[in-house]
Amino acid sequence: AQSVTQLDSQVPVFEEAPVELRCNYSSSVSVYLFWYVQYPNQGLQLLLKYLSGSTLVKGINGFEAEFNKSQTSFHLRKPSVHISDTAEYFCAVTFTGGGNKLTFGTGTQLKVEL
Amino acid sequence: ETGVTQSPTHLIKTRGQQVTLRCSSQSGHNTVSWYQQALGQGPQFIFQYYREEENGRGNFPPRFSGLQFPNYSSELNVNALELDDSALYLCASSLEGARKTEAFFGQGTRLTVV
Repeated sequence: AQSVTQLDSQVPVFEEAPVELRCNYSSSVSVYLFWYVQYPNQGLQLLLKYLSGSTLVKGINGFEAEFNKSQTSFHLRKPSVHISDTAEYFCAVTFTGGGNKLTFGTGTQLKVEL
Repeated sequence: ETGVTQSPTHLIKTRGQQVTLRCSSQSGHNTVSWYQQALGQGPQFIFQYYREEENGRGNFPPRFSGLQFPNYSSELNVNALELDDSALYLCASSLEGARKTEAFFGQGTRLTVV
């Protein structure tokens, strides 16, 4: 079975500052990793995904994440945040061949302040 | 192409009642997954349907059941509702097979059990 840990429940940051949202996973098999964003009263939107290949993955809205197998991490980063980035961010994992049966972390609330 | 749509968007039920939630998958997708997201938590996998057959189930009791129709739309049924069933229910569709895609989520149905 897989599990995901998002250590930070809330991350406050000032506009135009960089941000990193942390994600660690646990799995005994190879995995695919995802970051989703959820705006208030909405569903989940895919930001980026790691399936294979380059460990640095670029996504939408200027976000990127780096897969680190030795540290079992998949941290999300953005060099300069905007007010509109305020949302809940979820890291998710599925094992390769798992057919999109996702295991999610508990989420990190990113609050961007002026 | 149309996205994933869920109905209704909100509903209120009484403890002990039964409820049916509906999901129309994205055009071209053959797989639907259902998730329960309690307040302040990450989504939890309920089950998945692939070509009208259940293809994996999370840790949910049998009173949570589902269907997938020939057009790949899906229903989630919950019997004997409990207060703890109050949550946002998310449907995600994907294409499984040789040209698999990631999961695309609908806006969710907010269920309140009183």
